[in-house]
Amino acid sequence: KAGVTQTPRYLIKTRGQQVTLSCSPISGHRSVSWYQQTPGQGLQFLFEYFSETQRNKGNFPGRFSGRQFSNSRSEMNVSTLELGDSALYLCASGSGVGLSYEQYFGPGTRLTVT
Amino acid sequence: QKEVEQDPGPLSVPEGAIVSLNCTYSNSAFQYFMWYRQYSRKGPELLMYTYSSGNKEDGRFTAQVDKSSKYISLFIRDSQPSDSATYLCAMTAGGFKTIFGAGTRLFVKA
Repeated sequence: KAGVTQTPRYLIKTRGQQVTLSCSPISGHRSVSWYQQTPGQGLQFLFEYFSETQRNKGNFPGRFSGRQFSNSRSEMNVSTLELGDSALYLCASGSGVGLSYEQYFGPGTRLTVT
Repeated sequence: QKEVEQDPGPLSVPEGAIVSLNCTYSNSAFQYFMWYRQYSRKGPELLMYTYSSGNKEDGRFTAQVDKSSKYISLFIRDSQPSDSATYLCAMTAGGFKTIFGAGTRLFVKA
């Protein structure tokens, strides 16, 4: 079974620009979560989507948004990029049903904002 | 105070040693506990998943949860250089809003 895939793997953007990151979950998984990982703050939860609906949200500004498509693929968008948005953005997928909360992570997209 | 506290290390041990990694938490609603391993420049990999107090064993790894003390541990027996990585504890009250510890960097010396 293929794992979680994320594209692109690396991205360099300029302050003020916007960026869109993509995530394809494990086949059959309906939950997709996004995390930001930085050396200073560690892994922080951004949001979770299930069946095209945002089900949970972390404490990030509205510049961070996401969506999920009917095939469970998800995208995350960051508008008006700031230097502090430089981070590894990780996507994780889970079954999303029952009491199973294990998540499986992709390799991440490393975003550098200059 | 952070919801989940984890000593970032680094922790350096000789090959073959028993490694103990720990996390404490403050939210008594947490019921599901996980340990992830993350190699440099890779995404976290799920190692262990437990629900409720007690022990769970998988090969060289044992996860332990003590809800009364709000304390979880991961033990690695017969540690190998390939175990060198960052280990992250994670927990949730239910749902996928998972809170992670800062991660402990482990070095196993050959």
